[in-house]
Amino acid sequence: NAGVTQTPKFQVLKTGQSMTLQCAQDMNHEYMSWYRQDPGMGLRLIHYSVGAGITDQGEVPNGYNVSRSTTEDFPLRLLSAAPSQTSVYFCASSYSIAGGASTGELFFGEGSRLTVL
Amino acid sequence: SQKIEQNSEALNIQEGKTATLTCNYTNYSPAYLQWYRQDPGRGPVFLLLIRENEKEKRKERLKVTFDTTLKQSLFHITASQPADSATYLCAPYNFGNEKLTFGTGTRLTIIP
Repeated sequence: NAGVTQTPKFQVLKTGQSMTLQCAQDMNHEYMSWYRQDPGMGLRLIHYSVGAGITDQGEVPNGYNVSRSTTEDFPLRLLSAAPSQTSVYFCASSYSIAGGASTGELFFGEGSRLTVL
Repeated sequence: SQKIEQNSEALNIQEGKTATLTCNYTNYSPAYLQWYRQDPGRGPVFLLLIRENEKEKRKERLKVTFDTTLKQSLFHITASQPADSATYLCAPYNFGNEKLTFGTGTRLTIIP
């Protein structure tokens, strides 16, 4: 198993450009999410999905779009990049985020470092 | 609003000693609490989950406690080693809560 794969690992954009961060998992997880991590701010949830065709907003969704057409993929789109979106982005997946019988643990990708000039 | 605080941004501990990290939360009552480890330039990795009725959980040199009265979890690493140096993140949550929120993390350095 590859786990959670994110591409690209590094990207530099100019203000106003658009791009898509790709995330794929091969663990048949229903739950997937995107976080951004900034110094002193910790991990902040951008968007999440509990299954194909279902997405919802997290704590900091503005400026980002997501879709979930398959169980495996959960791309994050920046429609018009801004310097405030310079960050490290992490995609994560889980069999079940709700706890209960499972641990609800998140499996994270290695991150995508985005710089917006 | 819900708030999660981890005791300090950075903690330096002498090798062989016990490192204790604190996770405090306010304005909610989680039934579960997860701890993760994050190495520089890498994604977080799950370490342990503790449930509200467990009070204490151990895994090798790791021990986690969960005090719902104090609204606090303590994360201990005994016989610490330089390889334990990393940032540790806590994430309290409830069953059915689909938004997992993390503390800002504590950067632990074990000094040889």
